Amino acid sequence: KQEVTQIPAALSVPEGENLVLNCSFTDSAIYNLQWFRQDPGKGLTSLLLIQSSQREQTSGRLNASLDKSSGRSTLYIAASQPGDSATYLCAVSNDYKLSFGAGTTVTVRA
Amino acid sequence: DAGVIQSPRHEVTEMGQEVTLRCKPISGHDYLFWYRQTMMRGLELLIYFNNNVPIDDSGMPEDRFSAKMPNASFSTLKIQPSEPRDSAVYFCASSLSWTGEKAEAFFGQGTRLTVV
Repeated sequence: KQEVTQIPAALSVPEGENLVLNCSFTDSAIYNLQWFRQDPGKGLTSLLLIQSSQREQTSGRLNASLDKSSGRSTLYIAASQPGDSATYLCAVSNDYKLSFGAGTTVTVRA
Repeated sequence: DAGVIQSPRHEVTEMGQEVTLRCKPISGHDYLFWYRQTMMRGLELLIYFNNNVPIDDSGMPEDRFSAKMPNASFSTLKIQPSEPRDSAVYFCASSLSWTGEKAEAFFGQGTRLTVV
């Protein structure tokens, strides 16, 4: 069974600092990995999708890397803003199932 | 496209009552997923459909839960009878594919269910 772990569980940084969020998974036979953002009381918003053949994916201030062999992904958010405050979840797909981590709750202080 | 649409957004019901949650996936998406989110267990996959056919329902917790997809634009998740431990946020998601660049999953806003 795929196990997905996100560390740290919570993170508080001052505005302008870069954010580094970690995700690890136990079964490296994945199709892809996806990063989501969830605001309180809201649904999940897709941020980035990395296919298993890719090493990284970028969108604006966001960059996600994938090391499938070691079972790790990292989401970098450059120059954080208060609007980046949310819970960030990673999800890996294999066996036609998305397995989610518990998320990292980020607070960016103005 | 308006995205994945779920209704109702909030549902409060009494124990023993039947509850039906509804989902309209993004047009053209072949895969539809039902998830449940709780503080204790996080996000759990309940069931998924491919081209309207249920493929894997191993995540459905009990026989009280059932899901249907009568056509490509509509799915329901039914709980009968409901129990307080069913209280959670239920999400519907859809995707165009399972592999490749079109595998991105899009989620609805969720239905917050409270069973009292």
